[in-house]
Amino acid sequence: SQQGEEDPQALSIQEGENATMNCSYKTSINNLQWYRQNSGRGLVHLILIRSNEREKHSGRLRVTLDTSKKSSSLLITASRAADTASYFCATDYTGANSKLTFGKGITLSVRP
Amino acid sequence: DAGITQSPRYKITETGRQVTLMCHQTWSHSYMFWYRQDLGHGLRLIYYSAAADITDKGEVPDGYVVSRSKTENFPLTLESATRSQTSVYFCASSADRGRQPQHFGDGTRLSIL
Repeated sequence: SQQGEEDPQALSIQEGENATMNCSYKTSINNLQWYRQNSGRGLVHLILIRSNEREKHSGRLRVTLDTSKKSSSLLITASRAADTASYFCATDYTGANSKLTFGKGITLSVRP
Repeated sequence: DAGITQSPRYKITETGRQVTLMCHQTWSHSYMFWYRQDLGHGLRLIYYSAAADITDKGEVPDGYVVSRSKTENFPLTLESATRSQTSVYFCASSADRGRQPQHFGDGTRLSIL
């Protein structure tokens, strides 16, 4: 399977702390995307980072990509209770018939 | 507002029955996707479509049928439902197969008794 692997599987932090989530993948990619899923809802796109980019920011979110290590990290700064959700990385592998492949997700709990 | 709508949100049916899940998007995206989400497996691609009348298999297509006669609709049919198809089903759309973000509906929770 070419599924990316997120780490840790679950993370519990206090409101105001930073949350760091990691994603590793297996072969070369065109881009890597992070999504959030609130309970009972669909996935919502957060950030897309291309293979020639190293870092992207969006509000309190910071995503890094290290293609030499085949890994990415998502940092949420100054977390809030509303950040409680599952987070998924998805990889667009290079290749003729590649499609976005989702990992199994990370459950983030932010305690008030 | 542009968006993607799935119906029904919840469905209970019996083994052997045919059931169709509907998906409608107003983004005018060329690509549409069907995923199933199960504990321990994450999201797995069932089928996808690049345009009207063009569909292709994903990772777990067995037992499912899709059609796409109009760009905005992408129904998923379970021709003879089995208990292993109990899952949460998500439809998504995108301007590209993998190089653009995907936009998801809120899912259909399907239980097969």
